[in-house]
Amino acid sequence: DVKVTQSSRYLVKRTGEKVFLECVQDMDHENMFWYRQDPGLGLRLIYFSYDVKMKEKGDIPEGYSVSREKKERFSLILESASTNQTSMYLCASRPLNSYNEQFFGPGTRLTVL
Amino acid sequence: GQQLNQSPQSMFIQEGEDVSMNCTSSSIFNTWLWYKQDPGEGPVLLIALYKAGELTSNGRLTAQFGITRKDSFLNISASIPSDVGIYFCAGQKTSYDKVIFGPGTSLSVIP
Repeated sequence: DVKVTQSSRYLVKRTGEKVFLECVQDMDHENMFWYRQDPGLGLRLIYFSYDVKMKEKGDIPEGYSVSREKKERFSLILESASTNQTSMYLCASRPLNSYNEQFFGPGTRLTVL
Repeated sequence: GQQLNQSPQSMFIQEGEDVSMNCTSSSIFNTWLWYKQDPGEGPVLLIALYKAGELTSNGRLTAQFGITRKDSFLNISASIPSDVGIYFCAGQKTSYDKVIFGPGTSLSVIP
């Protein structure tokens, strides 16, 4: 079974802190994605990566950065957390030759105080 | 940017009832996807549709790719408590484009 894991299920941080959200997949997928999920807005794409060291901006990249040093790991970084970044963050992966189905992790619920 | 609309936004139904929900777009998509998110989990793909007019089933779930390519429908027959969750539609124009997700339909099933 495809397994996508996220480092934390719940996280509480203070405004201005640097926050790292980690995502690891064990199926050797080339593509990885970070979304944030907010009520009534669905899933919005923050950043994605097609390969190691490659990254592309999604629809809402402001205030975020990413790192993909290894194929299985895709990290989302909040350089200086703000209260409007309180949200559910979902990581997903997808194999190179499957253009549609993404496999999601369980999510990290981040609260910024 | 591109947006998908889902209706209804939420539903409360009795166990055993059938459920219908839909997804509409102002743009044409060539692929429609339906995901379900169980409480506390990430979304999981239920059904993928690749052709206008296509009708595809997965157990008690049936989804249709609208003929106009601007909409899709999901039906659940004889609902059970484990059907509770958020149902997301998603569309993709070409295999190289991003997947666009709708805002979701929240389903609650009353035993």
